[in-house]
Amino acid sequence: NAGVTQTPKFQVLKTGQSMTLQCAQDMNHEYMSWYRQDPGMGLRLIHYSVGAGITDQGEVPNGYNVSRSTTEDFPLRLLSAAPSQTSVYFCASSRGRYQETQYFGPGTRLLVL
Amino acid sequence: AQSVTQLDSQVPVFEEAPVELRCNYSSSVSVYLFWYVQYPNQGLQLLLKYLSGSTLVKGINGFEAEFNKSQTSFHLRKPSVHISDTAEYFCAVSDRQAGTALIFGKGTTLSVSS
Repeated sequence: NAGVTQTPKFQVLKTGQSMTLQCAQDMNHEYMSWYRQDPGMGLRLIHYSVGAGITDQGEVPNGYNVSRSTTEDFPLRLLSAAPSQTSVYFCASSRGRYQETQYFGPGTRLLVL
Repeated sequence: AQSVTQLDSQVPVFEEAPVELRCNYSSSVSVYLFWYVQYPNQGLQLLLKYLSGSTLVKGINGFEAEFNKSQTSFHLRKPSVHISDTAEYFCAVSDRQAGTALIFGKGTTLSVSS
């Protein structure tokens, strides 16, 4: 099993550009989520999904869109990148939302100029 | 709203010394508590978790944590650390009753030197 994979590893964007961060898991997990990690802030939840076709907002959803058309994939879209979105983005998946172990991808480092 | 406070942002220790990383959460009837570790330039992985039952939880790499309901704490301990334990450690809480999943603390950087 590859676990949770994320692409790209690094990305540089200009303000106003859009892009999609890809996330895939091969563990047949129902629950998937996106976090951003900023220095001194820990991890903050952006969006999550409890199954294909079902998504909801987390703590910091503004400027991001998600969709979940399959169990395996959970892409995160930046609509119009801003310097405040410079961060490290982690995708995670688990069998359930509350008590199950979450498995994290290796992360995507994004720099918005 | 549920919250997690990690009381130390940085903890420097010498190799083979004991260490305690402190974590407090806001009170709730039913919570699940987790410690995750992040090695440099990697994603997070689970160290241990408390769901119910025994308040002393043992995890990987010799770490353990104790759930203290009266003090709303979940401190992480290791009796003797190694250089390879240098990493960032995150305490996290899920609250099924409140509908909040995995709220993270801000992290504690453990630096082990020889």
